[in-house]
Amino acid sequence: SYVLTQPPSVSVAPGQTARITCGGNNIGSKSVHWYQQKPGQAPVLVVYDDSDRPSGIPERFSGSNSGNTATLTISRVEAGDEADYYCQVWDSSSDHPGVVFGGGTKLTVL
Amino acid sequence: QITLKESGPTLVKPTQTLTLTCTFSGFSLSTSGVGVGWIRQPPGKALEWLALIYWNDDKRYSPSLKSRLTITKDTSKNQVVLTMTNMDPVDTATYYCARTGATWDFQHWGQGTLVTVSS
Repeated sequence: SYVLTQPPSVSVAPGQTARITCGGNNIGSKSVHWYQQKPGQAPVLVVYDDSDRPSGIPERFSGSNSGNTATLTISRVEAGDEADYYCQVWDSSSDHPGVVFGGGTKLTVL
Repeated sequence: QITLKESGPTLVKPTQTLTLTCTFSGFSLSTSGVGVGWIRQPPGKALEWLALIYWNDDKRYSPSLKSRLTITKDTSKNQVVLTMTNMDPVDTATYYCARTGATWDFQHWGQGTLVTVSS
């Protein structure tokens, strides 16, 4: 089955840029989606199809995807960005196509 | 405005069958391309996809849980139902339903419902 690998944690100072990676075999050939989840809340889609933003998501959130790594970039990080972030793809390469989530990354704003 | 809400028991005993209902509004599950999925999250752990049903009644299941899961829809009631058999304490989690987009992104989520498995 397809595996997505994320670093458990990323720390960044306010105003700096945070980059959260999501590794997977040839992930560049798939559409990657990113979710933000704050404690006690449901996940929120922040980037879809590698680099598109749903309405209402600040331009500070951006995404890229190439080769074996997709990246969520958060510019000018704010305290309110502290959350868990998950990447997700649709894996059509196996005998049982389905949704795959990464293990999640906890973003800490120092 | 699209909303989804999960409902079902908060406590189930080991070996019992869990039945969860997702009631939604703001879209129709008879519209081409639309899907509704279930995702769960054990306390302090990562998201785990469970199942997905499409407008055309096509269904997909997590390979690791396929034998225990059944997903159905009632388009007239705007509901999707998930059943999971043979519940175990490790199945204790918050269960979410969510609407999918064209590339299987979960655009809209319910608030989630915590299900505890304990005798």
